[in-house]
Amino acid sequence: QSALTQPASVSGSPGQSITISCTGTSSDVGGYNYVSWYQQHPGKAPKLMIYDVTKRPSGVSNRFSGSKSGNTASLTISGLQAEDEADYYCSSHTSSSTWVFGGGTKLTVL
Amino acid sequence: QLQLQESGPGLVQPSETLSLTCTVSGGSISSSSYYWGWVRQPPGKGLEWIGSIFYTGGTYYNPSLKSRVTISIDTSKNQVSLKLASVTAADTAIYYCARVFLWFAGADYWGQGTLVTVSS
Repeated sequence: QSALTQPASVSGSPGQSITISCTGTSSDVGGYNYVSWYQQHPGKAPKLMIYDVTKRPSGVSNRFSGSKSGNTASLTISGLQAEDEADYYCSSHTSSSTWVFGGGTKLTVL
Repeated sequence: QLQLQESGPGLVQPSETLSLTCTVSGGSISSSSYYWGWVRQPPGKGLEWIGSIFYTGGTYYNPSLKSRVTISIDTSKNQVSLKLASVTAADTAIYYCARVFLWFAGADYWGQGTLVTVSS
């Protein structure tokens, strides 16, 4: 299975909004509403930020939102804060009943 | 509060079998609402799903690792185990266990991860 495609890096200034894309195929992202997003700070385990494309777990800031159009899912972070600087990964269910991750995106808060 | 803790050797010889255990506390592993999965991350690289197991013992594996991976579950001990055979340096990584929603819709609880180095 091929990894989902994410930009290697994105950046933004405090208070701005940024969007990270996650492109797959009709066999994964486009075929199911089972896309999730993770935040990972250095030396830490991944943290679930979005599941089922748009849902936020309890305790996750509403500055984080998810969406999907066709084979591309997106994570938007609004009101960017210094603590948002981290690596972000998307993942999706696949038609082969497997789980695939994106390559990761490094978010830099300028 | 659910907690997951990985344990096992931090150093494995090339061609040997890597064996890790994930102990779940604060909740039952025998839930029909979740899988229990293993994900790894080579140093400085991204996340890679290894495989997942349901409490009944049903398994799902990454096709690229399937020939070398065995995941098992012991509901009496609230533990999930990973075995990866014939390891090479490319298997050096932080190994995480996680609680995974059905349909791989997300993973909400993760262990802290354990670094396994493959080296002679």
